[in-house]
Amino acid sequence: AIQLTQSPSFLSASVGDRVTITCRASQGIRNALAWYQQKPGKPPQLLIFDASSLESGVPSRFRGSGSGADFTLTINGLRPEDFATYYCQQFETYPQFTFGPGTTVDVK
Amino acid sequence: EEHLVQSGAEVRKPGESLKISCKGSGQSFTSYWIAWVRQVPGQGLEWVGLISPGGDSRYSPSFEGQVTISGDRSMATAYLQWSSLRASDSGIYYCARRGGGSGNLLDQWGQGTLVTVSS
Repeated sequence: AIQLTQSPSFLSASVGDRVTITCRASQGIRNALAWYQQKPGKPPQLLIFDASSLESGVPSRFRGSGSGADFTLTINGLRPEDFATYYCQQFETYPQFTFGPGTTVDVK
Repeated sequence: EEHLVQSGAEVRKPGESLKISCKGSGQSFTSYWIAWVRQVPGQGLEWVGLISPGGDSRYSPSFEGQVTISGDRSMATAYLQWSSLRASDSGIYYCARRGGGSGNLLDQWGQGTLVTVSS
């Protein structure tokens, strides 16, 4: 089964910062990767699919990049509502579409 | 727009059975795969499995044999059930729609169902 790792696990940042989260797959997954944001007590919300496509309604400060085994989620100009936990998920190996362990972005 | 509405929180004892539901509101529900994801409070997301529009269910190895995913497309409802619960089954269970196009996305999520298994 494909394993996903995320780094860092925790990240302290300030409003206005540029934040970068990485997701690495244990083998190549082409561009079959999505990113989600989750806030406490809420379900995850889709941000990015196909590694770099922005979901409708998601602010353009969120950017996904990468292919193969290495992927990045970048938030340009962190806003107060962006403090949350972020997960990547791979869709390469049906039917086991595993998630990364998550990265929590909190206030510095 | 599709909305997924899940059944309410449940409390059961070990060994009991349970079936939770996820109801779609849009006409497109019958065309999409529906996935189930578990989250133990304070922890990450775990892939449980999914059901195809044709009713074919597949599971993560961690959940194979422990749960059953089913669906009633005429009622736009998907189900996740247990025949004999264990304490380790406790958690929040989300249903989610696998989006169209490449399918590399879960684009609509239910609000979650908290399952508590305790003696």
